[in-house]
Amino acid sequence: SAVISQKPSRDICQRGTSLTIQCQVDSQVTMMFWYRQQPGQSLTLIATANQGSEATYESGFVIDKFPISRPNLTFSTLTVSNMSPEDSSIYLCSVALVRANEQFFGPGTRLTVL
Amino acid sequence: DAKTTQPPSMDCAEGRAANLPCNHSTISGNEYVYWYRQIHSQGPQYIIHGLKNNETNEMASLIITEDRKSSTLILPHATLRDTAVYYCIPGGATNKLIFGTGTLLAVQP
Repeated sequence: SAVISQKPSRDICQRGTSLTIQCQVDSQVTMMFWYRQQPGQSLTLIATANQGSEATYESGFVIDKFPISRPNLTFSTLTVSNMSPEDSSIYLCSVALVRANEQFFGPGTRLTVL
Repeated sequence: DAKTTQPPSMDCAEGRAANLPCNHSTISGNEYVYWYRQIHSQGPQYIIHGLKNNETNEMASLIITEDRKSSTLILPHATLRDTAVYYCIPGGATNKLIFGTGTLLAVQP
């Protein structure tokens, strides 16, 4: 299994500012993902965080708005840039282990943009 | 990506079996069927997955039809703590997960 922590757990931000969310895993993992869950909605995949290369973004998400870093196999960050109230969501990271079919999810970061 | 259809909500009495259906008629031959659940205010939790054969683990059983177009997740003895949104997700091993709308299972005392 994998234990995932995220920082911050929640934040309230002003529109136009940026917030960087951290995801730390207790073991080396091959794949890391970032999801968004808007209020009352299901999860939407933002991007796959690739170690040593640029993230792979899903349709509707762009690097300028959601820059992602992954400097090593246990850590990743997601930045929500130039925030608006529509960015108010829970942001979750998940990881997939080598030789395992399940993904493990972090507890999420609850973001409110005023 | 294969599309899924799940009932938006279901009720189940505590102690009884909960049977959650999923239609995934466009699943491709090499895609697994994954089931996750999300308890309120928590991240999703893996339950079980299968390819062709029925599967069972300590949490649940997964029944996949022979044509693989549908599956059923069975929680044999539902408890109040099983109240959650359950997601059926076709996908490849360790690949990205595309969540649908899921089924809200409400276990009643």
